[in-house]
Amino acid sequence: QVHLVQSGAEVKKPGASVKVSCKASGYTFTSYGVSWVRQAPGQGPEWMGWISTYTGNTNYAQKVQGRVTLTKDTSTSTAYMELRSLRSDDTAIYYCARDLNGDFDYWGQGTLVTVSA
Amino acid sequence: DVVMTQSPLSLPVTLGQPASISCRSTQSLVYSDGDTYLNWFQQRPGQSPRRLIYKVSNRDSGVPDRFSGSGSGTDFTLKISRVEAEDFGVYYCMQGTHWPYTFGQGTKLEIK
Repeated sequence: QVHLVQSGAEVKKPGASVKVSCKASGYTFTSYGVSWVRQAPGQGPEWMGWISTYTGNTNYAQKVQGRVTLTKDTSTSTAYMELRSLRSDDTAIYYCARDLNGDFDYWGQGTLVTVSA
Repeated sequence: DVVMTQSPLSLPVTLGQPASISCRSTQSLVYSDGDTYLNWFQQRPGQSPRRLIYKVSNRDSGVPDRFSGSGSGTDFTLKISRVEAEDFGVYYCMQGTHWPYTFGQGTKLEIK
């Protein structure tokens, strides 16, 4: 069955970078895109960006554009999200989700990123 | 950006009673392929969102048939015919038609 397994929790200082991984299994990785969504404490989900696992094309939300980079490694069926210049308001749970044309059918378990001095 | 507005934000419900959540978008969610990419998710505390409904009215595998989705264009509804204890949590609508994808604020379904 389909699984998306994310890397573990991170604690970072303001100004640092974080890279979260999302390893897919149970399906053909390049047949579906991957979107990244974050959820700040007590808030609703916020879409951050999408990557085509086939072409590597990306689309980013304006709010994080310039600070976020989505990449993928098809040899390991893994997608990555790197966020730079971290601020305290980047503290959130970060999720990857399998994305077929805006339909998010499977989600990772989430990765808590805490930004604190 | 397309703004998704849910109502109510809090929904106290008695077990066995129906529940209904509204989601309205500021633009039509009909895509150029003719499909409407409107999803509904349930999120329980400490868990990832779980998709219940995709493309307005299609129930995901394993989702009880007491859940149903309806609507078109800019106006959508999630209905639960008889609320059970496992249904409590926060429900979000999400549009996947227009970049950037956007979510509603969430509706907290709680015990009355």
